[in-house]
Amino acid sequence: NAGVTQTPKFQVLKTGQSMTLQCAQDMNHNSMYWYRQDPGMGLRLIYYSASEGTTDKGEVPNGYNVSRLNKREFSLRLESAAPSQTSVYFCASSESEVTQYFGPGTRLTVL
Amino acid sequence: QKEVEQNSGPLSVPEGAIASLNCTYSDRGSQSFFWYRQYSGKSPELIMFIYSNGDKEDGRFTAQLNKASQYVSLLIRDSQPSDSATYLCAAQNYGGATNKLIFGTGTLLAVQP
Repeated sequence: NAGVTQTPKFQVLKTGQSMTLQCAQDMNHNSMYWYRQDPGMGLRLIYYSASEGTTDKGEVPNGYNVSRLNKREFSLRLESAAPSQTSVYFCASSESEVTQYFGPGTRLTVL
Repeated sequence: QKEVEQNSGPLSVPEGAIASLNCTYSDRGSQSFFWYRQYSGKSPELIMFIYSNGDKEDGRFTAQLNKASQYVSLLIRDSQPSDSATYLCAAQNYGGATNKLIFGTGTLLAVQP
């Protein structure tokens, strides 16, 4: 089992460019999440998906869109990247109420 | 005010000592609490969770919860240099359809050999 995988691992964008961060899990989990982590701010929830076909906003959704493509995959899209979106992005998944499993992260820099 | 507060540290302890990490939360509706460990440049991994008042032990780790004081702590006994990491406290409030967590900013622990 690979667990939660994320691509790419690193990305540099120019202001205004768009990109999609990919996340996939092979644990048959219903729930998936996107977080961003910034120094001094901790992990903040961007969007989550409780089950296939549903998505909801988290704490910091502005500037992002998501797609729950199927049960395995949950993508995060930046339509017009801004320097304020420079961050480390983590995808996570969970089945029970207890444990969220995190992917390795994507380090994004917006110039 | 952030809903889950942690001292950012660094908390420095000598090898073999007990490390005490603390966390307070503001939402009295929070029912379960989680401690994640995050090594530099890596993703968070779950160490323990607790939802009942009192202590919960797992090996060298003990989580403590006091809902009246809205306080959660993690004790690490016999601290090792490999325990050096950032420890994230998270609170969960059941009320939605899924397991949403609110994270603190984390406490950096440094165990000195």
